[in-house]
Amino acid sequence: AQKVTQAQTEISVVEKEDVTLDCVYETRDTTYYLFWYKQPPSGELVFLIRRNSFDEQNEISGRYSWNFQKSTSSFNFTITASQVVDSAVYFCALLSLKGSSNTGKLIFGQGTTLQVKP
Amino acid sequence: DTEVTQTPKHLVMGMTNKKSLKCEQHMGHRAMYWYKQKAKKPPELMFVYSYEKLSINESVPSRFSPECPNSSLLNLHLHALQPEDSALYLCASSPRSPGQGLQETQYFGPGTRLLVL
Repeated sequence: AQKVTQAQTEISVVEKEDVTLDCVYETRDTTYYLFWYKQPPSGELVFLIRRNSFDEQNEISGRYSWNFQKSTSSFNFTITASQVVDSAVYFCALLSLKGSSNTGKLIFGQGTTLQVKP
Repeated sequence: DTEVTQTPKHLVMGMTNKKSLKCEQHMGHRAMYWYKQKAKKPPELMFVYSYEKLSINESVPSRFSPECPNSSLLNLHLHALQPEDSALYLCASSPRSPGQGLQETQYFGPGTRLLVL
C-alpha cells in the first residue's frame, strides 16, 4: 500500500520564524518520486520540488530546504525566516514508478495549513 | 513557462444544467489530468489523457464527461450534477505520459470553483 502522512494539520508561526513541515511516506517500491506542492488561497497547486528515491541529497532553494531520509521514509520541508506570503496549504505527494506507472496517480498527504502572522 | 489555464474561474449551475470546464496548456505536454478537490481535502484524480486518448478513468460517474479535442486542450462536460459535486476542479499536465518509464512532474492550473445548486 502507498500512503503519505502529514501529521501536522495546521501550523501557526510569526513572521521570520523558521518552520518545518513533516511528511512521512509508505511504499514497497524501490523507485518512486516525492513532491511538495503549495496551494495558496487562490487554489492553484504550485510545484515546489521533486526528488527521486535514488537521490537523498538535501536541497536548498532560497528560504526553502528539503530533507529526504529514506531510512525514516521522511521528506520534510523547512521554510527559513517565514513570510506572510508563505501562508498556504502545503501538500506532500508520492508517485511510485511501479504502482502508478500506468496512471500517473499522485498519492497526496492530507496537507498542512501554514499560517504566518505578521 | 509552466502555465496551465482554466476557464471559468467560478461556475454556478443547477442540477439540470449542462456546462463545460476548459483547460489549456501550450507547453507541448502530452499528458493531461482532471482532479477534483473538496474543501480541506487533497486533490483526487478523475481522468488521465495520454496523447489525446483517455487512458485512465478513476471510476468517475458518467455525469462527468471528459474530452480532449487536441493536444493543448482538455474539456470536462458536466450534466445532471449533484450538490455533492461542488468542489474545486483542477487540471494538470505533464511533459510525458505515465507508463513511459518516467514519472514527470504534473503542473496544475488555478482551478474552477464549481457550485451545484
